[in-house]
Amino acid sequence: SYELTQPPSVSVSPGQTANITCSGDKLGDKYGCWYQQKPGQSPVLVIYQDNKRPSGIPERFSGSSSGNTATLTIRGTQAMDEGDYYCQAWDSSTAVFGGGTKLTVL
Amino acid sequence: QVTLRESGPALVKPTQTVTLTCTFSGFSLSTFGMCINWVRQPPGQALEWLALIDWDDDKFYNTSLKTRLTISKDTSKNQVVLTMNNMDRVDTATYFCTRMRVSLVGGVFHYYGMDVWGQGTTVTVSS
Repeated sequence: SYELTQPPSVSVSPGQTANITCSGDKLGDKYGCWYQQKPGQSPVLVIYQDNKRPSGIPERFSGSSSGNTATLTIRGTQAMDEGDYYCQAWDSSTAVFGGGTKLTVL
Repeated sequence: QVTLRESGPALVKPTQTVTLTCTFSGFSLSTFGMCINWVRQPPGQALEWLALIDWDDDKFYNTSLKTRLTISKDTSKNQVVLTMNNMDRVDTATYFCTRMRVSLVGGVFHYYGMDVWGQGTTVTVSS
């Protein structure tokens, strides 16, 4: 079965750039999404189709994908960006989530 | 405004079957490209996709759980129902339903991401 791999944690200083990666076989050939989840809340879609932002998502969130890796980039990271981030892709009409990355802003 | 709300029993016993209902508003599941997914999250763990049903009543399941899951829709009631049989303690989780849209480009479906999530319903499996 298809698998997506994320680093368990990423730390960033306020105002700096955070990069969260997601690896999967030929992931760049599939459309990827990213979700943000804060404690006790439902996930929120922050990037879809690799690099598109839904309305209401700040411009500091961007995405890219190539080869076997997709990357979520958060520029000018703020304390409010702390949370868990999940990548997700579709493979043969089934969805797969990565294991999640805990982003700490300190 | 698009909203989804999950409902179901909070507690089930091992081996029982659980029925979860997603009641939605603000869109029609009859509209081309509309889909509803079920996703679950065990306490402190990652998200896991379970199933999808689309506007055309096509159904797709997590390969590992396929034999235990059934998804269906009642368009007139704006509801999607997921049943999972033979519940086990490892199925203890918060279960979410999500909306997703797809488009057809050059004969290939393009997915737009799960753009609206319900608040989730927590199911505990315990004797």
